[in-house]
Amino acid sequence: DAGITQSPRHKVTETGTPVTLRCHQTENHRYMYWYRQDPGHGLRLIHYSYGVKDTDKGEVSDGYSVSRSKTEDFLLTLESATSSQTSVYFCAISQPLTSGGGETQYFGPGTRLLVL
Amino acid sequence: GNSVTQMEGPVTLSEEAFLTINCTYTATGYPSLFWYVQYPGEGLQLLLKATKADDKGSNKGFEATYRKETTSFHLEKGSVQVSDSAVYFCALSPPQTQGGSEKLVFGKGTKLTVNP
Repeated sequence: DAGITQSPRHKVTETGTPVTLRCHQTENHRYMYWYRQDPGHGLRLIHYSYGVKDTDKGEVSDGYSVSRSKTEDFLLTLESATSSQTSVYFCAISQPLTSGGGETQYFGPGTRLLVL
Repeated sequence: GNSVTQMEGPVTLSEEAFLTINCTYTATGYPSLFWYVQYPGEGLQLLLKATKADDKGSNKGFEATYRKETTSFHLEKGSVQVSDSAVYFCALSPPQTQGGSEKLVFGKGTKLTVNP
């Protein structure tokens, strides 16, 4: 296991409420990611972080914000949840490959979010 | 840009059948290539990887060979089991020479069901 936990694992909330999901790692990896997974879309990157206080947008960042005040924690916030944000959210950390460049990503167990 | 295309399935096989899941990619240079597996209700797990042309990744009886000439990384297994039922994702990681973030690019996933 890559030492990644996500909390909460399940969340039901109402439209318009703020929601924060937490990803915690024990591996001291620099890169962390938030994805959402939806039927027919596979995995889509929301935001990622390349260090403390260093974050950037992915392909589906609208309606989401992130923060990383410590290496081990990466928070995803839905400022005002909408039904279209009902999804399964995965956090990942990356470890550079020792040969050939690129990276290997390791995933957390996911958070199932239902917005009513 | 970089992209991954994999057969969408679903794929249904009988136990002990031969499995192939096709994956082709578009990328500049020599990316690293991956197969991830997602069992029901779980996060993605790295199944195998290859970091340069002609490399063969293997794990748990699954194999995939990095074919630069056909830009492919097809997943194969000689005899599937019921426990192999899962969703399989092909992915690439751009080479470090391209700079920028270390983001993975995923295919949309192929659902495999193996019947006894």
